Amino acid sequence: SQKIEQNSEALNIQEGKTATLTCNYTNYSPAYLQWYRQDPGRGPVFLLLIRENEKEKRKERLKVTFDTTLKQSLFHITASQPADSATYLCALDRGSSNTGKLIFGQGTTLQVKP
Amino acid sequence: DAGVIQSPRHEVTEMGQEVTLRCKPISGHDYLFWYRQTMMRGLELLIYFNNNVPIDDSGMPEDRFSAKMPNASFSTLKIQPSEPRDSAVYFCASRGRGGKLFFGSGTQLSVL
Repeated sequence: SQKIEQNSEALNIQEGKTATLTCNYTNYSPAYLQWYRQDPGRGPVFLLLIRENEKEKRKERLKVTFDTTLKQSLFHITASQPADSATYLCALDRGSSNTGKLIFGQGTTLQVKP
Repeated sequence: DAGVIQSPRHEVTEMGQEVTLRCKPISGHDYLFWYRQTMMRGLELLIYFNNNVPIDDSGMPEDRFSAKMPNASFSTLKIQPSEPRDSAVYFCASRGRGGKLFFGSGTQLSVL
């Protein structure tokens, strides 16, 4: 069956360190992968999109990698800040076309301590 | 732009009652999605529309759930009759350029 797996345990790190979150998937051939941030009581907010033919994408302190052989994406936040504390969700499209029909992982909660 | 607007923000109802959730997508977006989020199952896709037409409703749990999109600026998700296991946060999202989704703030539904 198709699965998207993210670390269910919360990730606790010290301010200033790099946070690395993992997203693994099975039985998918996604055309692209997205990362979202969700704060308590709010809807998810889009952060980054990476396509299957891209190895890496950066945006300010964020970096995403996409390895279609390993079926894995890594999400990095460098120089982390307490304001980065949130739940981070990865999402994959279920089709070969860009319909926006996204399936989400369970999310990993990040806690950055000052 | 006000973003995706959902109402109500919170809904508390008794088992067996009809519940209607509402969504106004971002103007110009041609895809609209309904998701449900629970601790156990995470964020699940229920149904999505393209140009007001339902494309895939395979995620709708059962016949008690129905969704409509009568025009480009309005959609409803209805549960009739509601059951306690329907308690969750229901999100509406619309699609912008490049496939990224814009989510509303959600409706927290509690069925007693």
